[in-house]
Amino acid sequence: GENVEQHPSTLSVQEGDSAVIKCTYSDSASNYFPWYKQELGKRPQLIIDIRSNVGEKKDQRIAVTLNKTAKHFSLHITETQPEDSAVYFCAASARGSYIPTFGRGTSLIVHP
Amino acid sequence: EPEVTQTPSHQVTQMGQEVILRCVPISNHLYFYWYRQILGQKVEFLVSFYNNEISEKSEIFDDQFSVERPDGSNFTLKIRSTKLEDSAMYFCASNDRGYEKLFFGSGTQLSVL
Repeated sequence: GENVEQHPSTLSVQEGDSAVIKCTYSDSASNYFPWYKQELGKRPQLIIDIRSNVGEKKDQRIAVTLNKTAKHFSLHITETQPEDSAVYFCAASARGSYIPTFGRGTSLIVHP
Repeated sequence: EPEVTQTPSHQVTQMGQEVILRCVPISNHLYFYWYRQILGQKVEFLVSFYNNEISEKSEIFDDQFSVERPDGSNFTLKIRSTKLEDSAMYFCASNDRGYEKLFFGSGTQLSVL
């Protein structure tokens, strides 16, 4: 099955700095890569996703990049704000499985 | 925006007791899932359900676990004889095409004493 590794486990930045979270996956058949944000005590919510036919996707301050050859993908948050503080999970899933496998999560702390 | 709803939000039970966690997926969704999250750890897949049957399950989903869609709206997870290590937040999720964005419920925090 798929194995997703995520780094770092915690990330502390100053407000206004950029934050980068990296994930690797093992199954070359995986072709859908979502990112979920989970605020303390709340449900995970999708913030951005990318498919394997695209190398980069951007939505305002959030961007995701995908390197299929190296089997890794990254989340980039620019101009971080305190409300970006949360746990971020990457995931990977392959058509035919329908099951996203999640990484361990990155706790992002943005200091005002 | 429609939401997946879960009840109860908290459940406390004694070891060995049966619990049923309830979920109402978004009405036009066809794929249903249960995940769990032990405190501070990653979200782990338990089971997926499509067309009134289990489509995939993980190693965690042993014969102590079962799922059911008793009517057109509810989707339940039953743990027959709870163990201490079943203590976790259980999330229900659904989507309309599999292989797509998951819509999570707000979770049921299960505490087994």
